[in-house]
Amino acid sequence: GAVVSQHPSRVICKSGTSVKIECRSLDFQATTMFWYRQFPKQSLMLMATSNEGSKATYEQGVEKDKFLINHASLTLSTLTVTSAHPEDSSFYICSARSGQIDSPLHFGNGTRLTVT
Amino acid sequence: GQQVMQIPQYQHVQEGEDFTTYCNSSTTLSNIQWYKQRPGGHPVFLIQLVKSGEVKKQKRLTFQFGEAKKNSSLHITATQTTDVGTYFCAALQGGSEKLVFGKGTKLTVNP
Repeated sequence: GAVVSQHPSRVICKSGTSVKIECRSLDFQATTMFWYRQFPKQSLMLMATSNEGSKATYEQGVEKDKFLINHASLTLSTLTVTSAHPEDSSFYICSARSGQIDSPLHFGNGTRLTVT
Repeated sequence: GQQVMQIPQYQHVQEGEDFTTYCNSSTTLSNIQWYKQRPGGHPVFLIQLVKSGEVKKQKRLTFQFGEAKKNSSLHITATQTTDVGTYFCAALQGGSEKLVFGKGTKLTVNP
């Protein structure tokens, strides 16, 4: 089955530093990847749609300069949280489809970010 | 944008009892997907419903899609401790490739 690998699984960083999260589709090509954020005991909030070779599309209220997304290849998308603050602490999950737009999403294992 | 309303938010049952979670939309959905997220894990796809009135079963899990394609349900018969987790319904936001998730129903099972 389609596998999405996300790294790192956990990261603790100091306030003001930047953190890069990688998302790879291991056995399929993903022209589009999705980045979600999940707060404790809450649902998945779509942050942005990452498109290979073009700029990401951000959801309303998500700062594009703070959450930098790069989709350099058909198998890799990265999310960089710049100048992280404690309120950025959250669970970030990437996902991708291996088929058409109505096919299921395959999720990475997620990254637990803690900003101290 | 399109919203998918899901209830209840929490459900606690005794092992062996049944469980149901419901999703509703104000607009007609092209399809609906269900995911399960175990504590500390990531969402895992369970099933997709496409046809009006569709019913699908996976062992003790029964998924239904309403006749008007505006609501769906997931029913678990005789819950087990392995069923614990949060169950999400999700649907495509109209005219786009973005998947919008319901708030989820967190199921806990008392052994």
